[in-house]
Amino acid sequence: DQQVKQNSPSLSVQEGRISILNCDYTNSMFDYFLWYKKYPAEGPTFLISISSIKDKNEDGRFTVFLNKSAKHLSLHIVPSQPGDSAVYFCAATYSGGSNYKLTFGKGTLLTVNP
Amino acid sequence: GAGVSQSPSNKVTEKGKDVELRCDPISGHTALYWYRQSLGQGLEFLIYFQGNSAPDKSGLPSDRFSAERTGGSVSTLTIQRTQQEDSAVYLCASSTSTVNYGYTFGSGTRLTVV
Repeated sequence: DQQVKQNSPSLSVQEGRISILNCDYTNSMFDYFLWYKKYPAEGPTFLISISSIKDKNEDGRFTVFLNKSAKHLSLHIVPSQPGDSAVYFCAATYSGGSNYKLTFGKGTLLTVNP
Repeated sequence: GAGVSQSPSNKVTEKGKDVELRCDPISGHTALYWYRQSLGQGLEFLIYFQGNSAPDKSGLPSDRFSAERTGGSVSTLTIQRTQQEDSAVYLCASSTSTVNYGYTFGSGTRLTVV
């Protein structure tokens, strides 16, 4: 049973446009969410996170939105750049319990075309 | 070191052989984690170390898998009598005591069992 779902295996956007990556979760205990970016042959790198007490967190070109009632979060990248081409993983955890353990989605491959 | 170092980067082994995967975490990081990513899947939690103890081994798939950590630093993941389904990328990560700022992952060991 997948508790974190990224239903789009891939996404292609033009340079300069907005990239929107989506993530859904089923476990209502999750209260902290993270996005990781992964280039080929490298480990995932932390990108941005959001606590369930917020509905938005922004860091430069990256913004994460959280809709708790829908159990849905999204990562917006504006403007998209070719260097953003990578696999993006959504992850979730429960801060009150095993907060060291992240549950990951399967990832979305983002391709930004010049 | 500056990052999490894993060795070897690639390992091809025959079915039934034992393998050892090594992880050198960031100096001073007390928490260490092993995850694996099988083809087309998200990252799957295996084990968590705090210092030299492993309070959570719940993700180890079978008793063929074991891990240890010595000196609060280097960790070794051992897979005995490897099977083809063990083929995956094994990722190690480390962090300070909280996960809130995200782990730092190594580049992983790609294990192929033939």
